[in-house]
Amino acid sequence: GESVGLHLPTLSVQEGDNSIINCAYSNSASDYFIWYKQESGKGPQFIIDIRSNMDKRQGQRVTVLLNKTVKHLSLQIAATQPGDSAVYFCADTGRRALTFGSGTRLQVQP
Amino acid sequence: DAMVIQNPRYQVTQFGKPVTLSCSQTLNHNVMYWYQQKSSQAPKLLFHYYDKDFNNEADTPDNFQSRRPNTSFCFLDIRSPGLGDTAMYLCATSRADTQYFGPGTRLTVL
Repeated sequence: GESVGLHLPTLSVQEGDNSIINCAYSNSASDYFIWYKQESGKGPQFIIDIRSNMDKRQGQRVTVLLNKTVKHLSLQIAATQPGDSAVYFCADTGRRALTFGSGTRLQVQP
Repeated sequence: DAMVIQNPRYQVTQFGKPVTLSCSQTLNHNVMYWYQQKSSQAPKLLFHYYDKDFNNEADTPDNFQSRRPNTSFCFLDIRSPGLGDTAMYLCATSRADTQYFGPGTRLTVL
C-alpha cells in the first residue's frame, strides 16, 4: 500500500554539526509534504513544507529537499542545537488527512 | 494567540469507564482531526470533521466516537476504554493542507 517511511530510527549528531533526516514515500501522486518536530510529551510542531512543483525550500536553519525521481525527501538542519533534539516526522497530504512516516529521533550530543 | 487547546492534558481512567477528551481552536479552521499516538509510534488518524461532515477511518474501533457541536469544539469519546487505549491523543486543525496540532492529552487506562 501507499506509505511514507523514514530510513533511520535514531540519528545522533554533535552540537554545531549539520543534521540530515531522510524520508521515502511511495505514492507518486503525493503533492505536498510537511516536516514536523515532536518533543517529548508535546504535539507535533510544523517545521517546513514543500510542494511537488519545487525541489528545495529553505527556512530558518532548515532546508527541505524533494527528489521526485526517487521519491525521496530530506530535512537538513544547520548548526544543530540541543533544542533540536526531538522526533522528526515527514508527512504526506496526498489525501485530506496526513500520512505520517515512522519518525526519526534526533539526539544532539554536547 | 490563536491556537489549538486540549483538555485535560493528562487523564487517568479505569478499564471500561467512559472518558471524554476535548479540543478547542481559535483558528477558525473548518477541518478538525483526532489522532492516536502510542509510545514511539507515529500519530494514527482516527477520524476527522470537514465542517460538520464526519469521516471515520476504516480501522478506527467502534469504541471511539466523536462530536463536533460547533466550529470551535470537537470531542473524542471512548465508550469503554481498554488497556490498549493508553496513548497520547492529538487534536489537529486545518483550513488547507497544513495541520496544526494541539499539545495532546495523555490517557492512561488502568
